[in-house]
Amino acid sequence: QKEVEQNSGPLSVPEGAIASLNCTYSDRGSQSFFWYRQYSGKSPELIMFIYSNGDKEDGRFTAQLNKASQYVSLLIRDSQPSDSATYLCAVRYYKLSFGAGTTVTVRA
Amino acid sequence: GAVVSQHPSRVICKSGTSVKIECRSLDFQATTMFWYRQFPKKSLMLMATSNEGSKATYEQGVEKDKFLINHASLTLSTLTVTSAHPEDSSFYICSAYRPTGQGGDEQFFGPGTRLTVL
Repeated sequence: QKEVEQNSGPLSVPEGAIASLNCTYSDRGSQSFFWYRQYSGKSPELIMFIYSNGDKEDGRFTAQLNKASQYVSLLIRDSQPSDSATYLCAVRYYKLSFGAGTTVTVRA
Repeated sequence: GAVVSQHPSRVICKSGTSVKIECRSLDFQATTMFWYRQFPKKSLMLMATSNEGSKATYEQGVEKDKFLINHASLTLSTLTVTSAHPEDSSFYICSAYRPTGQGGDEQFFGPGTRLTVL
């Protein structure tokens, strides 16, 4: 079983819609959870981190964490073409483990 | 966010040569840095954890003698790919770890180095 799994995608959404990204993890002791955005040919850029159960909002982004279900998600509201990228979920237990990523395409 | 630089950004070399990649944390001291490798359309794979003043910790399957890591100062870690071969061609990304003030931590990534071995 992979440590971090993301919905495979690709995910295509119209401009202005909500993009929903999901991630599950296997290590129940994981404490830190991150969402990174990676444009093609570039390195990952941190979007959000979350440590506690519940929601965390930052601008158009909302991260949701449910440790009991070992589930973390990212919502992108009012999606823009510039949001088109691969989104990586990362979970820290002793080290940071990455999911395979979900590619999001926002259609103008 | 914090700034992490990498040099060079792109390198093309002949098979059998060695290539050194530098990773610098520009605005904070990083006791721990990480080296990742990413193949096309794949996720990041951790190669090793680099701790200042001590030996690096390599992930299973990563050859220590092939990927030499040195973390001589709190702002600089280097990765040397020795006797590079075409299968070593990849996107190498470093990151630096910095504790946050919220009881957690963040990893800031460098821009990456695209290595092509002919």
